[in-house]
Amino acid sequence: NAGVTQTPKFQVLKTGQSMTLQCAQDMNHEYMSWYRQDPGMGLRLIHYSVGAGITDQGEVPNGYNVSRSTTEDFPLRLLSAAPSQTSVYFCASSLIPGSAYQETQYFGPGTRLLVL
Amino acid sequence: AQTVTQSQPEMSVQEAETVTLSCTYDTSESDYYLFWYKQPPSRQMILVIRQEAYKQQNATENRFSVNFQKAAKSFSLKISDSQLGDAAMYFCAYGRAGTASKLTFGTGTRLQVTL
Repeated sequence: NAGVTQTPKFQVLKTGQSMTLQCAQDMNHEYMSWYRQDPGMGLRLIHYSVGAGITDQGEVPNGYNVSRSTTEDFPLRLLSAAPSQTSVYFCASSLIPGSAYQETQYFGPGTRLLVL
Repeated sequence: AQTVTQSQPEMSVQEAETVTLSCTYDTSESDYYLFWYKQPPSRQMILVIRQEAYKQQNATENRFSVNFQKAAKSFSLKISDSQLGDAAMYFCAYGRAGTASKLTFGTGTRLQVTL
């Protein structure tokens, strides 16, 4: 089991460029989420998905798009990168609602993004 | 909206000693879960311990235990017999039951472990 994987590990973009951050999990988890981590602010939820074909916005969704065509993959798209999107991005997954065990989120290693 | 507060930006503990990291949260929900995650310099987020709000018994995982005070909305983490490998950022997180994909995090506490 690879768990939650993210690519790339590090990326530099110029303002206005677009890119997709990849996230995949092999644990057959239904729920997946994207967070961003900024200095001194903890992790904040960008978008989440409760299953293939179902996504919704989190706390800071502006400037990001997501889709979920399969249970395993949950890519995050930046359509026109801005310096304010410089951050570390984490993907996470969990089973289904039901107990603390089932609702525990497991995180990928993160993608560090620098927008110049 | 739920909020999670970690009022200690940094803490220090000597090896083999015990340290307690504090966390308070605000919610109007009655059914929820609380988590502590560890983030070492590698940046990987690692689950340390979890607690279900309906359980009065405090969770324990080896050297890690929590003091869960539901009425006070407090969820502190106690690390016993601290080791050098415990040095990391520690994040407290809240999740409303049934919303497995939507955690609210505190701002973290950086723990230093000294010899």
